Amino acid sequence: ETGVTQTPRHLVMGMTNKKSLKCEQHLGHNAMYWYKQSAKKPLELMFVYNFKEQTENNSVPSRFSPECPNSSHLFLHLHTLQPEDSALYLCASSQDKGAAVYNEQFFGPGTRLTVL
Amino acid sequence: GDSVTQMEGPVTLSEEAFLTINCTYTATGYPSLFWYVQYPGEGLQLLLKATKADDKGSNKGFEATYRKETTSFHLEKGSVQVSDSAVYFCALSKQGNQGGKLIFGQGTELSVKP
Repeated sequence: ETGVTQTPRHLVMGMTNKKSLKCEQHLGHNAMYWYKQSAKKPLELMFVYNFKEQTENNSVPSRFSPECPNSSHLFLHLHTLQPEDSALYLCASSQDKGAAVYNEQFFGPGTRLTVL
Repeated sequence: GDSVTQMEGPVTLSEEAFLTINCTYTATGYPSLFWYVQYPGEGLQLLLKATKADDKGSNKGFEATYRKETTSFHLEKGSVQVSDSAVYFCALSKQGNQGGKLIFGQGTELSVKP
């Protein structure tokens, strides 16, 4: 595998289900991100992990719970979701070189989530 | 707060037509500007970038010039191909923690017909 991979690619779940999205990066990066992509709306940054520590939570509801066990893996645990949470969830990674430098983010293909 | 605005899509062109996708931004300080492309079924890929005023980013025949006076970063290509059909996102980044957060526009879908 190369780049950033995400599983599953498609997920349909009921509002009472618990599921998890998985992201793995094979680029040796030290920062990972979760984004939400809804139709006709800009990408929304949800969470940032840097060196496995969560450094950003953009006011995301607690029904979304991230986990970063190591610098290569990132999970998004889902519980009691709402239909409006249906979207494409994108994972990205980058090599953080410090605050003075822009670090290019590499994106996975996304998980298309449908909440019934 | 900082924001990016793109022209509404979808944009439909014939092959070999000239493409312009408008992008304007609002930001304090000196952001870096980017165009990302998302092909069907794939994640976003960096297409080009410009880090200071008057810089021109270019890649795969696409170009965009960082215009600070008009706060714009319009994407252009002289002759589009069917394979250019995708969604294009304009974004900005300001240096800070995590190497600069990306703030995206809403995306513009491009469809190129043979």
